[in-house]
Amino acid sequence: QVQLVQSGAEVKKPGASVKVSCKASGYTFTSYGISWVRQAPGQGLEWMGWISAYNGNTNYAQKLQGRVTMTTDTSTSTAYMELRSLRSDDTAVYYCARAGRLLSFPRIWGQGTMVTVSS
Amino acid sequence: EIVLTQSPGTLSLSPGERATLSCRASQSVSSSYLAWYQQKPGQAPRLLIYGASSRATGIPDRFSGSGSGTDFTLTISRLEPEDFAVYYCQQYGSSPVTFGGGTKVEIK
Repeated sequence: QVQLVQSGAEVKKPGASVKVSCKASGYTFTSYGISWVRQAPGQGLEWMGWISAYNGNTNYAQKLQGRVTMTTDTSTSTAYMELRSLRSDDTAVYYCARAGRLLSFPRIWGQGTMVTVSS
Repeated sequence: EIVLTQSPGTLSLSPGERATLSCRASQSVSSSYLAWYQQKPGQAPRLLIYGASSRATGIPDRFSGSGSGTDFTLTISRLEPEDFAVYYCQQYGSSPVTFGGGTKVEIK
């Protein structure tokens, strides 16, 4: 079955970086893109950006430009999201989701990865 | 960017009742590119509706979406116990993709 499996929870100090992975299975990885969405505790959903698994093209949310990098490894069908210069307000559950295009509605979501930023 | 405002923030209803959730956009959503998601505690969002009114695969027909332009509605015709959750709208008609703040449907 189609699924996205994310890496485990992380605890980081302010100023550090985190890299979350998202391994896809059950479909042709390069036929879709991956969106990343985060959710702070008790808050709503925030779109972070999108990457094409076909050609690596990316589009990032303006507020995260310069701090976020999304990549893919087609040999392992895995997408990655790296966030640098972490702050306490980056504490959130980070989701990857299969998204055919930049502007789309994901049907398949990963289970989420909790990232806690605390000194 | 398009700002989506959901109302009410919380809806207190009993099983069997009808739920009507609103999503209002700050500008017209292109081609009715609006989706609705359900989220339960500790779970990822689940796609319910796309294209404003098309049900996703496996979604019961008690869920329906309507609207166009700037005003959209998600209706749950008769609430089942498993429907108590938070619901989000999302527009994907223009970049960046944006989500509404959510409506919590709780048991009265």
